[in-house]
Amino acid sequence: DTGVSQDPRHKITKRGQNVTFRCDPISEHNRLYWYRQTLGQGPEFLTYFQNEAQLEKSRLLSDRFSAERPKGSFSTLEIQRTEQGDSAMYLCASSGRTSGHTDTQYFGPGTRLTVL
Amino acid sequence: QKEVEQNSGPLSVPEGAIASLNCTYSDRGSQSFFWYRQYSGKSPELIMSIYSNGDKEDGRFTAQLNKASQYVSLLIRDSQPSDSATYLCAVDDYKLSFGAGTTVTVRA
Repeated sequence: DTGVSQDPRHKITKRGQNVTFRCDPISEHNRLYWYRQTLGQGPEFLTYFQNEAQLEKSRLLSDRFSAERPKGSFSTLEIQRTEQGDSAMYLCASSGRTSGHTDTQYFGPGTRLTVL
Repeated sequence: QKEVEQNSGPLSVPEGAIASLNCTYSDRGSQSFFWYRQYSGKSPELIMSIYSNGDKEDGRFTAQLNKASQYVSLLIRDSQPSDSATYLCAVDDYKLSFGAGTTVTVRA
């Protein structure tokens, strides 16, 4: 059983560049979530997918951010024209509905983004 | 997003003692509650989920939920140095709302 994987694990970029992150969920999970975490804070919800449909986006997700899950499997998160304030850990989680209760989400290792 | 507050840390406990972590949440309609552990530089790792009022035990960990008081706690018994981490309380409708975390240090 492989867990959630993310690639790359670390990304250093210059301000104004575009970056793209990939997340591969646990294979049987139909829900996929993106969160962002800055130092000293808990993760903040960005967006989530059920299969290939993007069902909600946080207001934190400005128009420079876009996420896709084209075939309901892996997902990508792209940030255009990066800013220094985008520096954070980007976490992906996946879940599959268990009977009677809200999904339990399992996190990948994260992608740490540093914008210079 | 829902507000989730955790007791401020850091919390330092001697090895073998009980560490007590507290969390309150704003939405009375919340139904699912989770505790995650996060080591420095790593991603959150699920410790416990709890859905009903009362206690739920798993090894050295006990989660307690009181929906009337909008309060959830985590007890770590017989604390070990490997328990030193940040503990995140999360509340879920379908997207997790996290507290800022409480950092626990277990002194050998």
